[in-house]
Amino acid sequence: SQTIHQWPATLVQPVGSPLSLECTVEGTSNPNLYWYRQAAGRGLQLLFYSVGIGQISSEVPQNLSASRPQDRQFILSSKKLLLSDSGFYLCAWSGGSETQYFGPGTRLLVL
Amino acid sequence: QQQVKQSPQSLIVQKGGISIINCAYENTAFDYFPWYQQFPGKGPALLIAIRPDVSEKKEGRFTISFNKSAKQFSLHIMDSQPGDSATYFCAARKTGTASKLTFGTGTRLQVTL
Repeated sequence: SQTIHQWPATLVQPVGSPLSLECTVEGTSNPNLYWYRQAAGRGLQLLFYSVGIGQISSEVPQNLSASRPQDRQFILSSKKLLLSDSGFYLCAWSGGSETQYFGPGTRLLVL
Repeated sequence: QQQVKQSPQSLIVQKGGISIINCAYENTAFDYFPWYQQFPGKGPALLIAIRPDVSEKKEGRFTISFNKSAKQFSLHIMDSQPGDSATYFCAARKTGTASKLTFGTGTRLQVTL
């Protein structure tokens, strides 16, 4: 069966510091991968998606970037965090069907 | 521009009652409509999904009703239980878009005793 992992689970970072969140998927190959951000009590905002290694599409201009160095690894990064980057970051995957499956999420607090 | 409109924003239902959450869309290119359930601090989990060629799909206490002509779909939770208290998101996928989903804004459901 397929499993999606995200780490860290929680992160507290100072403004201006770098960020790296990692997502990995097990049990499938060549998945579509997605990064979402969810502000407190709000909906899901798609940030990036990837259909293959090195292929990244950005949905909204922002302070973040994404990379896919391996087939089942998706990384969300920032060089300098802003207060507004705080939120709940979710990685998801899909493969073959329309369904997206979400990871457990990373809660990021920028102080 | 919000392409999937979800209502209500919040809902309080007594145990045993029926919870109804509605979504409406504008883009007729959408061809897949899932519902997700999210508990606090957790990632959303797929609850049930429907395609526009059927008008209703039922899985246990959860039913999706789909009205293609009105471009509306709804989630019905029968015999609502306190354990159903969560946030529910509807979503829609447009054909040929790498399975990207457009989400509604969510409905926070509270089932009281």
